[in-house]
Amino acid sequence: NAGVMQNPRHLVRRRGQEARLRCSPMKGHSHVYWYRQLPEEGLKFMVYLQKENIIDESGMPKERFSAEFPKEGPSILRIQQVVRGDSAAYFCASSPPGGAAGGNQPQHFGDGTRLSIL
Amino acid sequence: SQKIEQNSEALNIQEGKTATLTCNYTNYSPAYLQWYRQDPGRGPVFLLLIRENEKEKRKERLKVTFDTTLKQSLFHITASQPADSATYLCALVKNSGYSTLTFGKGTMLLVSP
Repeated sequence: NAGVMQNPRHLVRRRGQEARLRCSPMKGHSHVYWYRQLPEEGLKFMVYLQKENIIDESGMPKERFSAEFPKEGPSILRIQQVVRGDSAAYFCASSPPGGAAGGNQPQHFGDGTRLSIL
Repeated sequence: SQKIEQNSEALNIQEGKTATLTCNYTNYSPAYLQWYRQDPGRGPVFLLLIRENEKEKRKERLKVTFDTTLKQSLFHITASQPADSATYLCALVKNSGYSTLTFGKGTMLLVSP
């Protein structure tokens, strides 16, 4: 049973380019979360999605960042016009449907995409 | 907003001893508290979850306590092994209807043979 798959593992972009990060959740999981981890910093929540819906995007910058989780295919985190400050590790996690008490579900993480901006 | 404090200094212990890691939080009392392990270059791996009405939870060599008065959780690894060396993350869930996690920065544990 494959875990959460993220690709690419490493992504290098020049300033001003677009970055697309992909995440395939575990089989049967319908909740996806994106986090960003800067060196010496903790994981920071960005966005929480269910199939075709954004549930909470309170941690995502208002400009240049967007996320989607279509009915078919992986979840995508898209960063437009990247800047040096976007360099970080981006982690995706998934959890099974947990009803209203979602907090009692462990989250299953992928191994992240390391984004480097030149 | 919630602030979570984990000891930023690495914890060095000898194999066989008990490791104790601390997670302190301010502001609201979370509905759930989760502990994760993260190895270099890898994603976090879930270890244990404890609810606000639970005092203690155990799983094999792991034990978590939750003191809502002190606003603190302690994470214990008994009979520690070098393979336990990793960074351990504390994460809070705000309320029972909420799913997103607020993480601490983590504490690195180094177990020497």
